[in-house]
Amino acid sequence: NAGVTQTPKFRILKIGQSMTLQCTQDMNHNYMYWYRQDPGMGLKLIYYSVGAGITDKGEVPNGYNVSRSTTEDFPLRLELAAPSQTSVYFCASLGSSVETQYFGPGTRLLVL
Amino acid sequence: ELKVEQNPLFLSMQEGKNYTIYCNYSTTSDRLYWYRQDPGKSLESLFVLLSNGAVKQEGRLMASLDTKARLSTLHITAAVHDLSATYFCAVDGRYGGSQGNLIFGKGTKLSVKP
Repeated sequence: NAGVTQTPKFRILKIGQSMTLQCTQDMNHNYMYWYRQDPGMGLKLIYYSVGAGITDKGEVPNGYNVSRSTTEDFPLRLELAAPSQTSVYFCASLGSSVETQYFGPGTRLLVL
Repeated sequence: ELKVEQNPLFLSMQEGKNYTIYCNYSTTSDRLYWYRQDPGKSLESLFVLLSNGAVKQEGRLMASLDTKARLSTLHITAAVHDLSATYFCAVDGRYGGSQGNLIFGKGTKLSVKP
């Protein structure tokens, strides 16, 4: 199993551009999550999904959108990039509540 | 609103010494997680604590959970350089009906020096 994979690893965006961060898991997990990590601030939940077709907002959803059309994929969309969205983005998945979340390798995003 | 506080945020230790990292949280929760993160890397799961009084140990690390005090500790025994990393605790924000919505502390950056 590859676990949780994310693409791209690194991206530079200009203000106002849009992009999609890809996340795929091959563990057949129902739960998937998007976090952002700013320096010295820990991780904050952006959006999560409890299954295909079901998504909900986390702590910091503004400026982002998600979709979940399959169990495997959970893309994160930035429509109008802003400097405040410069961060490292982690995708994670969870099989059951008694387990731990499995994190992807992260996408480092710089908005200039 | 659930808040998670770790202390200390920075910890410089000598090899061979013992120390404890503390994780306090503000509202009732029955699931607590510890993760390790190396610089520029993703998060690696260390422990999952699911009940009051839970204690888990792996190598030189031992984690415990006191749900009544809303406190978890990560104890380091006889530290070695390889333990240098940032350690995060995270608490499930939904008591009794988890969907895995984790609230993270800011992390404790541990540096173990010879």
